[in-house]
Amino acid sequence: RKEVEQDPGPFNVPEGATVAFNCTYSNSASQSFFWYRQDCRKEPKLLMSVYSSGNEDGRFTAQLNRASQYISLLIRDSKLSDSATYLCVSSTGSARQLTFGSGTQLTVLP
Amino acid sequence: DVKVTQSSRYLVKRTGEKVFLECVQDMDHENMFWYRQDPGLGLRLIYFSYDVKMKEKGDIPEGYSVSREKKERFSLILESASTNQTSMYLCASSLISVHEQFFGPGTRLTVL
Repeated sequence: RKEVEQDPGPFNVPEGATVAFNCTYSNSASQSFFWYRQDCRKEPKLLMSVYSSGNEDGRFTAQLNRASQYISLLIRDSKLSDSATYLCVSSTGSARQLTFGSGTQLTVLP
Repeated sequence: DVKVTQSSRYLVKRTGEKVFLECVQDMDHENMFWYRQDPGLGLRLIYFSYDVKMKEKGDIPEGYSVSREKKERFSLILESASTNQTSMYLCASSLISVHEQFFGPGTRLTVL
């Protein structure tokens, strides 16, 4: 079983839609969580960190449920430019190692 | 702006060749990482380094070695390339106490 699991998609949504991605992790020692974004043929980049209290950055909301070992990302009012692969990432607390999910592909359609 | 550069975007090698992939970062980061990315498998950590001349194995180190002689440079070496090492290789760096990793553009390696 993969340590971080995501639905690979693809998710095809119209512009303006709200879309949610889910992710589960198996290592209960994981302490920190992140969402990275990877555009087609580009490198991954940090989108946002995920905190137990949840956090919001504009149209993006990330939530963490430690009891269920579950992380989510909600994108409201989707834009064409949101089309990318979204990577769910966990860390065991050492700043040196991150564990990446295989990614969820999103395409926002005009 | 953090910049991580990799020596080649595309590389084609033959089975059995020794392959060097170079990565350079310009932000004085202590940590450097090598990943490979394959469809359906995501990014998998090969090796990482938290200091000059220090290295630690990641999840899939077999068939690879690394070298970090200078803080800004981290090299990945395939001693004898095999077809199952055909992949996208990504280098990343980060500060010692910070989780955010900055990635290079990747090297797509094909081993024939």
